[in-house]
Amino acid sequence: GQQVMQIPQYQHVQEGEDFTTYCNSSTTLSNIQWYKQRPGGHPVFLIQLVKSGEVKKQKRLTFQFGEAKKNSSLHITATQTTDVGTYFCAGPTYGQNFVFGPGTRLSVLP
Amino acid sequence: SQTIHQWPATLVQPVGSPLSLECTVEGTSNPNLYWYRQAAGRGLQLLFYSVGIGQISSEVPQNLSASRPQDRQFILSSKKLLLSDSGFYLCAWRLTGNTEAFFGQGTRLTVV
Repeated sequence: GQQVMQIPQYQHVQEGEDFTTYCNSSTTLSNIQWYKQRPGGHPVFLIQLVKSGEVKKQKRLTFQFGEAKKNSSLHITATQTTDVGTYFCAGPTYGQNFVFGPGTRLSVLP
Repeated sequence: SQTIHQWPATLVQPVGSPLSLECTVEGTSNPNLYWYRQAAGRGLQLLFYSVGIGQISSEVPQNLSASRPQDRQFILSSKKLLLSDSGFYLCAWRLTGNTEAFFGQGTRLTVV
C-alpha cells in the first residue's frame, strides 16, 4: 500500500539554526499537507501544496512540493523555541482517506 | 464556524473494562470522520474512518470498534480494554475532497 516516509525522525537544533524535514511518498500525490503538533497537543494544519514544484512561505517556514509530486520539504529559518513540536506530512490515499508520515520531532535548545 | 469536541481529555481505566470515547462536530454537514491513535512519541495510526452515518471502515483489526449514529457524532468503543490500548486518541474531521483535517483535543487513555 501507499507509504509516506519522513526524515529525520528527530532533530535537535540550537535556537537560531535552520531546520528541514523531508517527506517522501511511494506514489505520486495529488496534494500534500503539513501539520504541526505541539507537545501534548493535537495536530494543527499548516498548509497544503497542490502544484508540481510549488513553493509556499509562511513567515520563517518554507514548504516545497517536488516536481514529481512524490516528495516535499518543510524548512524553518532561524528556529525559535515556539517551533518545538512534531511536524507531519500527509497525503491522500484511497477514498476519503489520507495517510500521515511518521513525523519529525523538533526540539530547539535556547 | 466549525468546531470539534472530544471527551474526556484524560481517562484511566482498568484492564478488561469497557471504553466509550465520543467525538462531535458542529458547524458542518456530512463530514468525513476519523479516529487515530498515537503512542507516546510516535506517529498517527488510523483506526477507523467514516464517510456517512452507519458507514465505518476499519483500518487496523483489534478489540476496538467505532460507530456513527448521527451525521456529526463518532464513537470509539471497546468491550474489554487491553494494556496495549493505552495511547492518545484523536478524532478528526474533514470535508470530502482534498481539504484540511481538523483534530479534536484528544483523549489520553491509560489502561492499568
